[in-house]
Amino acid sequence: GAVVSQHPSWVICKSGTSVKIECRSLDFQATTMFWYRQFPKQSLMLMATSNEGSKATYEQGVEKDKFLINHASLTLSTLTVTSAHPEDSSFYICSGMNTLSYTGELFFGEGSRLTVL
Amino acid sequence: RKEVEQDPGPFNVPEGATVAFNCTYSNSASQSFFWYRQDCRKEPKLLMSVYSSGNEDGRFTAQLNRASQYISLLIRDSKLSDSATYLCVVNGPPAAGNKLTFGGGTRVLVKP
Repeated sequence: GAVVSQHPSWVICKSGTSVKIECRSLDFQATTMFWYRQFPKQSLMLMATSNEGSKATYEQGVEKDKFLINHASLTLSTLTVTSAHPEDSSFYICSGMNTLSYTGELFFGEGSRLTVL
Repeated sequence: RKEVEQDPGPFNVPEGATVAFNCTYSNSASQSFFWYRQDCRKEPKLLMSVYSSGNEDGRFTAQLNRASQYISLLIRDSKLSDSATYLCVVNGPPAAGNKLTFGGGTRVLVKP
């Protein structure tokens, strides 16, 4: 299957700092990238959907100024958590999709575990 | 009512036994359905798509019941390695932007 590489896998930061998470599709063009957040023992919650070259569409309750998403190319999308606070500590996962050859399967990155002190 | 609901479990299953669980969805216009497997602290991975006629992949069988709006997953001859959280994923209709919605997951623990 297609490969999505996500970095960093783990990050610990101080409250008030910003953290950038990268998601790269290695062997396909990700026309659409989804960003999810998962708290312990809970399901994945969609945060936003981004299409290459367009502004991301955020789900209700997700602050677009706090979670900056950039999808400037077909192989790279980034999520920046700005002014992170302890309540932002979570598991963030990206997934990519090529809408031109969509089979329904999502290809996930390995996830990034953020801990804000 | 949640869009996609699953029994969180855990389902404690003796090794070699059969376990089955369902996932209900609220939007009758949902287009496609999937089962993903997620191991602890890892990303979800596609287990199988769910087709209208039902489909089988080795020890795993998936069924779709559109009338009652649920899908099911059955695992036969459970292995210890089947212990994981199984996520039901529903793809909404084009009118809703083909939105993929995850269920909360069903945790399965296979024990010797």
